[in-house]
Amino acid sequence: DAKTTQPPSMDCAEGRAANLPCNHSTISGNEYVYWYRQIHSQGPQYIIHGLKNNETNEMASLIITEDRKSSTLILPHATLRDTAVYYCIVRVAGNQFYFGTGTSLTVIP
Amino acid sequence: GAVVSQHPSWVICKSGTSVKIECRSLDFQATTMFWYRQFPKQSLMLMATSNEGSKATYEQGVEKDKFLINHASLTLSTLTVTSAHPEDSSFYICSAHLGNTQYFGPGTRLTVL
Repeated sequence: DAKTTQPPSMDCAEGRAANLPCNHSTISGNEYVYWYRQIHSQGPQYIIHGLKNNETNEMASLIITEDRKSSTLILPHATLRDTAVYYCIVRVAGNQFYFGTGTSLTVIP
Repeated sequence: GAVVSQHPSWVICKSGTSVKIECRSLDFQATTMFWYRQFPKQSLMLMATSNEGSKATYEQGVEKDKFLINHASLTLSTLTVTSAHPEDSSFYICSAHLGNTQYFGPGTRLTVL
């Protein structure tokens, strides 16, 4: 079962930062948090992952709270091409991913 | 790097026939691959974990005799939907594990008439 909960949908103005929250209150100490996104009828695309520290790459930043019970994915300057369903996933011991319902992000011109 | 392909990208078959879907890691070797199913407007559901050289591990509620998985090499896993029925129509997606990350294929749309 998925160990994450996310808001079902969000809007963001083009050019502004998109902040997508995720709750994972039952996460274990050695379980990583991953973020993927899926554009309609395509396979999920990897964005970023982290364990305890905040992470940043060319696509996004990941902010994980100190107690690790929640995290936020930040897309610094959202474009129309960032419109997608964003999934926050906790990777379990066998490397399996159990997807939750995700957040449908719509970037508005 | 880390590209995963699937073949075919879409397939239509008659009820009662079997369909094979291939998942390949193109530029890396993957000891473990995963198969997912996604119905319209729903999230991905993990079906099974495929390990090279051993039997696949199926999630609860997934019929192993209906969804046959073979992981014959470090770059190829196949999913065969046997005796397909209309309710098996779905989007099937594979992923390959590399390092700390899963890389997903583009998916295969199966329609059973």
